[in-house]
Amino acid sequence: GAGVSQSPSNKVTEKGKDVELRCDPISGHTALYWYRQSLGQGLEFLIYFQGNSAPDKSGLPSDRFSAERTGGSVSTLTIQRTQQEDSAVYLCASSQHYRFSGANVLTFGAGSRLTVL
Amino acid sequence: AQKITQTQPGMFVQEKEAVTLDCTYDTSDPSYGLFWYKQPSSGEMIFLIYQGSYDQQNATEGRYSLNFQKARKSANLVISASQLGDSAMYFCAMRPGYSNASKIIFGSGTRLSIQP
Repeated sequence: GAGVSQSPSNKVTEKGKDVELRCDPISGHTALYWYRQSLGQGLEFLIYFQGNSAPDKSGLPSDRFSAERTGGSVSTLTIQRTQQEDSAVYLCASSQHYRFSGANVLTFGAGSRLTVL
Repeated sequence: AQKITQTQPGMFVQEKEAVTLDCTYDTSDPSYGLFWYKQPSSGEMIFLIYQGSYDQQNATEGRYSLNFQKARKSANLVISASQLGDSAMYFCAMRPGYSNASKIIFGSGTRLSIQP
């Protein structure tokens, strides 16, 4: 697609419920990131997919968080048994990968705002 | 450890003045890329400028320039002739290394407010 698409744009859920957030990256972009941004804060790295390599899951805050990327394209971030501290905007970004350059400019989606009551 | 530090949580600047947003980084990898992004109140993330660790010249993009001081590990963003529309959060980011495993990390951001 023309840009990075995320859905839903807003999600309100009750504590303890599971949620799924979807990201559709730019076609041809091999790198895909998930970040979390709490209100007025910076971007917290969650997980990074690059091509067929094993994903870097080092930023996932707990085992309630998981993500997958199917067919090297669409990604789903799943949060199980949501807690109030999970409330944040979840940003997805994608980029091309340049082997001999660091110029991997990220294109971001509009984000999914999650509110856990 | 890989780290990006932005020490200015907020800045107030008069319109038309130049402004410098500070960013320091830490990496042991000799190959890395540095980025600046802008996030207006609408929430979208907008790429501004990129600097590679081997680039000889400081990067410039219109009113944006990156003051890259490699020995000091700093990559400050300079905005010339600030405008009201420059009011936003600004994030410095780094990609340490060029391998598949190198992920992009962000600083905590600086909120810039331009006053008329």
